[in-house]
Amino acid sequence: QVQLVQSGAEVKKPGASVKVSCKASGYTFTGYYMHWVRQAPGQGLEWMGWINPNSGGTNYAQKFQGRVTMTRDTSISTAYMELSRLRSDDTAVYYCAREWVGAAAGTLDYWGQGTLVTVSS
Amino acid sequence: QSALTQPASVSGSPGQSITISCTGTSSDVGGYNYVSWYQQHPGKAPKLMIYEVSNRPSGVPDRFSGSKSGNTASLTISGLQAEDEADYYCSSYTSSSTPVFGGGTKLTVL
Repeated sequence: QVQLVQSGAEVKKPGASVKVSCKASGYTFTGYYMHWVRQAPGQGLEWMGWINPNSGGTNYAQKFQGRVTMTRDTSISTAYMELSRLRSDDTAVYYCAREWVGAAAGTLDYWGQGTLVTVSS
Repeated sequence: QSALTQPASVSGSPGQSITISCTGTSSDVGGYNYVSWYQQHPGKAPKLMIYEVSNRPSGVPDRFSGSKSGNTASLTISGLQAEDEADYYCSSYTSSSTPVFGGGTKLTVL
């Protein structure tokens, strides 16, 4: 069965960077785009970008351009999202989610469990 | 890309039907049949409920249905059940080749 397992919670100081991992299993990792979505406490979902695990190509939301880097390691079926120059308003749960091949672009059929990133001095 | 507009909250009694709207523009909802709906229970990851405006993934009850008219998409839940109480988010593909989410709607089952 498809599973996306994310790394554990992080606490970071303002100005630092955080790198969240998302390990995929149960399907061919390189066959499906991986998206990253975040949710601030009590707020809605916010799309951050995607990575094509096959080519390594990326597409980031304009808001995060210059601060976010999405990478992957195909040997261990893992995607990564690194966010730099953290601010307090980056405190959120970060999700990875697989894009469903065979459905409309942007359809996210499997989600990781989420990783809480807390930015605090 | 601005978030899609959803009502902050809706409510209904068990057995009733409710509809949640999702309003965008011709650059997103109105321009593509690429609208999805997600259900999120507290502390849990979102779950795909509807894709491509009106299609249900395997395992989603047929009480959930979707539609679209112009720049507004809608999610209807019929025969409300207690376990339907959750937050619901719409999403659409956009002319920028990126997805955008709605602000979310809290469904309360009275």
